[in-house]
Amino acid sequence: ETGVTQSPTHLIKTRGQQVTLRCSSQSGHNTVSWYQQALGQGPQFIFQYYREEENGRGNFPPRFSGLQFPNYSSELNVNALELDDSALYLCASRLQGTDTQYFGPGTRLTVL
Amino acid sequence: KNQVEQSPQSLIILEGKNCTLQCNYTVSPFSNLRWYKQDTGRGPVSLTIMTFSENTKSNGRYTATLDADTKQSSLHITASQLSDSASYICVVTGNQFYFGTGTSLTVIP
Repeated sequence: ETGVTQSPTHLIKTRGQQVTLRCSSQSGHNTVSWYQQALGQGPQFIFQYYREEENGRGNFPPRFSGLQFPNYSSELNVNALELDDSALYLCASRLQGTDTQYFGPGTRLTVL
Repeated sequence: KNQVEQSPQSLIILEGKNCTLQCNYTVSPFSNLRWYKQDTGRGPVSLTIMTFSENTKSNGRYTATLDADTKQSSLHITASQLSDSASYICVVTGNQFYFGTGTSLTVIP
C-alpha cells in the first residue's frame, strides 16, 4: 500500500554469517533510508542513500553497509552477524527535498 | 541532545473508549512532527503531519495536536476500534528523522 516492498519477509541466520536484505522503493524516490527496530523499540536510523551514494549514517558499525541502484532498489548488507542484530529492518523511500517517508513492511531477521 | 519521548509506554483500553498519547521532543531545528501507526511486524504508516504553524490536524478518528512552544504533541483517538491496536510512533523531523520509542495500544472488546 505504500509502494515500497522488502524481501525476504523473514530470515534466520547464525552468528558470524552475512545477510543481504532488499528494498524496492517507489518510482522516482531517489532517497532511501534503512532502520533497525528491536522488539518494543522505535526504529533506529542506520544510513541513508541519495543517488546511489551514502549521505548520512547513524551509530552503526561498518559491518552494516548498503547499496542503492538506479532502478530505485537498494540493499542492506550486514557482515559477521551478532545475536543483537536480531530485529525488524525497515527501509523507507522519499523524494529528495520532501519529508514524507514511505515505509516498507520490513524484514524480520533472527540471528541464532 | 535531540530526543523524542513518548508516554505512556503501553496502554489498554476498552473498545469504544477514547485515549490520548503524548509525545515530548527536544529536537532543534524543527521542521515537522508526524504520527505513525505501526501494526505488529509491519512498517509504519503515516497518520498525520504538522508543521511549526499548525496546532491541530485530524485524520478520521485520529486528531493530533502540537504545541511548538512547549514542544509537546498529542494524538487523540476517538471511539477506539479493535483495529486500532498497534504501536503509535511520534517522529520529529529536524536535520534528520528522530523517532520516539512508541506507545503500544491494545483495544479490548
